[in-house]
Amino acid sequence: GAGVSQSPRYKVAKRGQDVALRCDPISGHVSLFWYQQALGQGPEFLTYFQNEAQLDKSGLPSDRFFAERPEGSVSTLKIQRTQQEDSAVYLCASSFPRTSGRSQETQYFGPGTRLLVL
Amino acid sequence: AQSVTQLDSHVSVSEGTPVLLRCNYSSSYSPSLFWYVQHPNKGLQLLLKYTSAATLVKGINGFEAEFKKSETSFHLTKPSAHMSDAAEYFCVVSDQGSGTYKYIFGTGTRLKVLA
Repeated sequence: GAGVSQSPRYKVAKRGQDVALRCDPISGHVSLFWYQQALGQGPEFLTYFQNEAQLDKSGLPSDRFFAERPEGSVSTLKIQRTQQEDSAVYLCASSFPRTSGRSQETQYFGPGTRLLVL
Repeated sequence: AQSVTQLDSHVSVSEGTPVLLRCNYSSSYSPSLFWYVQHPNKGLQLLLKYTSAATLVKGINGFEAEFKKSETSFHLTKPSAHMSDAAEYFCVVSDQGSGTYKYIFGTGTRLKVLA
């Protein structure tokens, strides 16, 4: 079946502009993660959803970042009043948790949205 | 707390020679470890994962990794590099302390394959 998709693939924003990044997870996947990958770095965790519930948002860097997944499928990451330091690739991943051995779950990643704030 | 350290930011090998990408981990749990590959402008693709079933893990495209608890290592190897292996490689540990099992990534190793 289809993998994780993200849109747009590229986004250029002027400083101060609001942006919305979309993630379509693999159908039926309960868990959804957002990561931020700065240039030359490994991805860093932003937030986690289990179905529609946002269970962990400890990685969101400021209150300008907001994520939602209202129906437990598609998720949107919104950044308000973008700053140059928000320039990065935003990755979405989904997984299907098992009743045991959750640490072994494979996360399936989308291609990412590359955000450039000028 | 859990973490992974990738010991080399860049590795260059000649085509047809062995590949070794090094990763050390720190975990207070029995770790779940992964290697992912990222080609330019592509998503992260799982190469292999260690889930305690076997210490030598075979993955896709001829890659394998060996879990060594005594050395807290999980190095990635391939007997013969191919030009198509040129990419960024990430060692990952699943965060078992958070309840979310989010991934903790290393800083990455860029593999260059010389013709």
